[in-house]
Order: sequence, then C-alpha cells, then structure tokens
Amino acid sequence: QVQLVQSGAEVKKPGASVKVSCKASQYTFTDYYIHWVRQAPGQGPEWMGWINANSGTTNYAPKFQGRVTMTRNTSITTAFMDLTRLGSDDTAFYYCARGGTGLWGWANWFDPWGQGTLVTVSS
Amino acid sequence: DIQMTQSPSTLSASLGDRVTITCRASQTVGNWLAWYQQKPGKAPKVLIYEASTLESGVPSRFSGSGSGTEFTLTISSLQPDDFATYYCQQYKSYSFGQGTKVEIK
Repeated sequence: QVQLVQSGAEVKKPGASVKVSCKASQYTFTDYYIHWVRQAPGQGPEWMGWINANSGTTNYAPKFQGRVTMTRNTSITTAFMDLTRLGSDDTAFYYCARGGTGLWGWANWFDPWGQGTLVTVSS
Repeated sequence: DIQMTQSPSTLSASLGDRVTITCRASQTVGNWLAWYQQKPGKAPKVLIYEASTLESGVPSRFSGSGSGTEFTLTISSLQPDDFATYYCQQYKSYSFGQGTKVEIK
C-alpha cells in the first residue's frame, strides 16, 4: 500500500535548524505533490507548504517563507523539509502527506500521511 | 487567508447517537473540502473529500454535505471506534478547522 515513512524524533536548541525526511513507497513518487503539515501539542494541523515531486517547484505558506526549504531526491523517492531559526513555538509533530497528481494536483486532499516526526525545541 | 471555523469544539455523545459537526469557511471554497479523523498519537486520516465523497474503506455511517462556505460531517450511528478528533480542511489554500473532539457521554 502507499506509504510515507518519516525520520525519527529530534531535539534541537533555539536558533538551530532541523531537517525531516519522508520516504515514499508503493507509488510513482514523481507523479504527486508532497505537503508538509505541523501540529503543535493540543492544536489543529497547520499547513507549511508543498513540493511538486516531479519538477521540484515549491509553494510555502507565508508564515514560513524564508525559514523553510522543501526539497526532494527522486532517486531515493524521498522528500525533505528543512526549518531554520527554530524557536520554542516550533515544538510540534511534523507530518508529510501526499497530495494530488496532474495539472490540478496542488488542489487535493491529503492522503496518506506519514507517521509524524516530533521536533522538540528546548534549551 | 481562508479561516475555517468548526463547531462544536467538543461533543459528548453515546453509542448509537447521530452526530453532526459543522464547518464554516470565511470565503467560498466550492467543494474543495475534506474531513479527517485523528486519534491520539496518530496522523490524521481522510474520511471524506470533495465535500461528500466517502474515502474507500471508510464506513458508510460517515457522510459529508455542503458546498461554498457551509459544510457538515454526519456520523449516523456512533460506534466505539469513532471517538476521536475530527478536522475539516479546505484545499484551495489548505487551512484546517480547529477540530471537534467527540467524547463518550
């Protein structure tokens, strides 16, 4: 079945950066968008951006512009999310999720999701 | 920014109850609306997309309706596995509602 498997939990100090990976399997990686979403403890999900896994084109939420970079490596069917200048309010679960395919692939629900990666920012 | 407002934020119900959750968008999203279920420690899972299309494998007791700015998720007869938090999401610009926690009464 289609699966997204993320890298393990991270603990970072304020001001540091974190890079989370998302390994895709059982579908053609370059046919779909990958979205990144985060969820702080007890809060609703918050969309961070997407990457077109074929072209590498990205679209970031304004809140994260300048601080987030989304990349992919098609040879290993893996997407990456890099977040810099971490603060305590960046403590959250970070999820990747598959979006849609084709010309309107950006306008799609998210299915499936990775298992989540807990990023804790603490001094 | 499109704001998504869910109500109620918490819902207490009994097994077999019919449950309705409402989601309101601050501007029209057409039918670009999905509903997700999330259980503690797990990722969200899609139940409904395009406002009313049931995801494959999701029980038929779940249904969605609405278009434009007003949407509802209905569970026709609440089962033990349904106690969870539910989120709506518009995928025009991807914002989520704040969630509705369905608890045992």
